[in-house]
Amino acid sequence: KAGVTQTPRYLIKTRGQQVTLSCSPISGHRSVSWYQQTPGQGLQFLFEYFSETQRNKGNFPGRFSGRQFSNSRSEMNVSTLELGDSALYLCASSAQGFGNTIYFGEGSWLTVV
Amino acid sequence: DQQVKQNSPSLSVQEGRISILNCDYTNSMFDYFLWYKKYPAEGPTFLISISSIKDKNEDGRFTVFLNKSAKHLSLHIVPSQPGDSAVYFCAASEGGTYKYIFGTGTRLKVLA
Repeated sequence: KAGVTQTPRYLIKTRGQQVTLSCSPISGHRSVSWYQQTPGQGLQFLFEYFSETQRNKGNFPGRFSGRQFSNSRSEMNVSTLELGDSALYLCASSAQGFGNTIYFGEGSWLTVV
Repeated sequence: DQQVKQNSPSLSVQEGRISILNCDYTNSMFDYFLWYKKYPAEGPTFLISISSIKDKNEDGRFTVFLNKSAKHLSLHIVPSQPGDSAVYFCAASEGGTYKYIFGTGTRLKVLA
């Protein structure tokens, strides 16, 4: 069974630009969540989707948004990039999203210059 | 407001000995806990979980203990192997919130 797939793996953007990251969950998983990891920080929750509905959102500015498609694939978008947005963005999927284990992809490394 | 804390940023253990990684939490509503291992430039790998209705869960060399009254969980790795050298994260979730709160991680180094 294929794991969680994230694309692109690495990208460099300029301040003010926007970026879209993509995530394909494990087959059969309907919950997708996104986390940000910055140096020295743990993983910070961004948002979670289940059946195309956002069920929870973390404490991030509105520049961070996401969506989920009917095939459970998900995208997250960051607009008006700031230097502080440089981070590893991790997508995770789970079968139900409630009390279930979440499985992570390899992540997308975003560098904002 | 750090609801999940891993107070030891790093830990060194000799190969073959026991590694004990600790995690404390403040939210008594957390009911599901996970441990992950993370190598540089890779995503976190799931190790073991425990629900709040249990106080222990084992999977091979990994055992997680949960002390609800102390709001403390620990991960025991026995015996430790050099390949276990990585950063370990604990995470906690409150049912119905659909999100996990992660600690800041403990870097484990297993010395050969």
